Amino acid sequence: KNQVEQSPQSLIILEGKNCTLQCNYTVSPFSNLRWYKQDTGRGPVSLTIMTFSENTKSNGRYTATLDADTKQSSLHITASQLSDSASYICVVSKAGGYNKLIFGAGTRLAVHP
Amino acid sequence: ETGVTQTPRHLVMGMTNKKSLKCEQHLGHNAMYWYKQSAKKPLELMFVYNFKEQTENNSVPSRFSPECPNSSHLFLHLHTLQPEDSALYLCASSQQDREVPGELFFGEGSRLTVL
Repeated sequence: KNQVEQSPQSLIILEGKNCTLQCNYTVSPFSNLRWYKQDTGRGPVSLTIMTFSENTKSNGRYTATLDADTKQSSLHITASQLSDSASYICVVSKAGGYNKLIFGAGTRLAVHP
Repeated sequence: ETGVTQTPRHLVMGMTNKKSLKCEQHLGHNAMYWYKQSAKKPLELMFVYNFKEQTENNSVPSRFSPECPNSSHLFLHLHTLQPEDSALYLCASSQQDREVPGELFFGEGSRLTVL
């Protein structure tokens, strides 16, 4: 069964600290993996998209990694800011279909001052 | 501003009402989507329109009726909804290249409450 599991479900950190969010998937065949940030009451916004051949990709203080062998991805946030408080959603695209996007339930991150 | 505009942002309706959600994309994309987002659950794909043709209906109840008059507008008509239909409804668009899903651009969502 094609699934995307994210952990932890929620996380609280202090401003300025780093954190890492995890995403494990069983989607096959794999096309690409995406991370989205969703502020409360807003639509998701894309952070990164990684294909099979990409191991790491950065977007400012956000760095995503991908291990296609173990089917794991992580999103590392450096020097967190209050504005990083949001849900982070991992999405895996299944090859062979334009609508085959498998969504994780997200990790809810709260950054406290 | 993502280039995808949804109205209304908030909607409260009774179970016997008829209402519509509207989505407009200004990105020149050829595919548009409706997703349902319930609390603590993954986004659920409802409908996909590719080049104005519905190419996916993900077992959605008939009380939800989509309409895509052109490639930049998408509607979701609602009638005789149930309280469990209360959720955030997200519209998205993308540029499809053959069968490869392009990057999704989401609207801000329409928060629906069914009383």
